[in-house]
Amino acid sequence: AQSVTQPDIHITVSEGASLELRCNYSYGATPYLFWYVQSPGQGLQLLLKYFSGDTLVQGIKGFEAEFKRSQSSFNLRKPSVHWSDAAEYFCAVARKSNDYKLSFGAGTTVTVRA
Amino acid sequence: NAGVTQTPKFQVLKTGQSMTLQCAQDMNHNSMYWYRQDPGMGLRLIYYSASEGTTDKGEVPNGYNVSRLNKREFSLRLESAAPSQTSVYFCASIESGGPLAKNIQYFGAGTRLSVL
Repeated sequence: AQSVTQPDIHITVSEGASLELRCNYSYGATPYLFWYVQSPGQGLQLLLKYFSGDTLVQGIKGFEAEFKRSQSSFNLRKPSVHWSDAAEYFCAVARKSNDYKLSFGAGTTVTVRA
Repeated sequence: NAGVTQTPKFQVLKTGQSMTLQCAQDMNHNSMYWYRQDPGMGLRLIYYSASEGTTDKGEVPNGYNVSRLNKREFSLRLESAAPSQTSVYFCASIESGGPLAKNIQYFGAGTRLSVL
């Protein structure tokens, strides 16, 4: 079974400050890794993904994530947060051999203060 | 581009009532999924369909049934709704088996269901 842990339930960050959201997964092989963002009352939007290759991946809205195999982590970062980044962020993993079923972390809610 | 369309967007049921949540995708995707989202628990897979004509249970299938009507449509049915099924339901689809870069799940906007 694969599981995903997002250690931080809620993070508050000042506008313009940097942001890092943590994600750890437990699975023997390297799964497909994703970060999704959900604004209040909305569906999920894909921020970025990692399948293979370069371990630093760039996504939309200025986000990036780094896959670290040795730490089983896929942390999401943004150098300078905007008020519009206030949302809930989900890390997820999938495997091709498991019909791409996604296992999600519990989510991290980001609050941005002026 | 419609993508993944879910209906209805909101629904209130009384305990014991039945209803069907509809999902349709226009991207010619093979696989479709139903998830539920509850506070502090992320999204959990209810059922999925790897291809037209097949369905399989996910993590939390009890109390639900599904139908893959055709390649486009994948419905979720609650036969006798319970308060524990109050949740936000998301449908998703993916073009599995295609080039690596396309193996991404696309989500609908969700159905917010309250069971009283």
